[in-house]
Amino acid sequence: DQQVKQNSPSLSVQEGRISILNCDYTNSMFDYFLWYKKYPAEGPTFLISISSIKDKNEDGRFTVFLNKSAKHLSLHIVPSQPGDSAVYFCAAEGTNAGKSTFGDGTTLTVKP
Amino acid sequence: NAGVMQNPRHLVRRRGQEARLRCSPVKGHSHVYWYRQLPEEGLKFMVYLQKENIIDESGMPKERFSAEFPKEGPSILRIQQVVRGDSAAYFCASSTGTSFYNEQFFGPGTRLTVL
Repeated sequence: DQQVKQNSPSLSVQEGRISILNCDYTNSMFDYFLWYKKYPAEGPTFLISISSIKDKNEDGRFTVFLNKSAKHLSLHIVPSQPGDSAVYFCAAEGTNAGKSTFGDGTTLTVKP
Repeated sequence: NAGVMQNPRHLVRRRGQEARLRCSPVKGHSHVYWYRQLPEEGLKFMVYLQKENIIDESGMPKERFSAEFPKEGPSILRIQQVVRGDSAAYFCASSTGTSFYNEQFFGPGTRLTVL
């Protein structure tokens, strides 16, 4: 039973446009959500997070939206840049804080 | 570089051998996590350790796998009698653990290949 799902394995976007990466979760005990970015042959790097008491968190070009009732979150990247091309993982934590549950990732390709 | 260090970066073992993966956390971090990534899949939680303590090992296979984080030295993930299905990338992460939710800093991973 996969508790965090990223239903789009890949996404291709033109440079300068918006990239929207989606993530759904099933466990209502999750109350903290994170996005990580991963380049090939490297470990994931933390990008942005959001607590369940918020519905939006913004950091520069990156914004994460949380819809608790739908158990859905999304990462918006505006404007997208070729250097954003990577695998993006959604992760969630709950009462067992420290134990992150990851989705399978979405590969983003930003075309120049 | 004060980031998480993992070694070796690549490890090749024959079936039945032992694999030892090492992780040195960010200096000052007392919490270590191990994740496994199988091909075409996401990261799967394995174990969460503090110094000399296993906090959560709910993701560890019941047999052949063990982890430790001694008072001194790196954290070790040990896989005994490896099988082909153990081939994966193993990532270690660390955090300060000073708040309830902590950003985790990941190492570059160890890619284990079992022949």
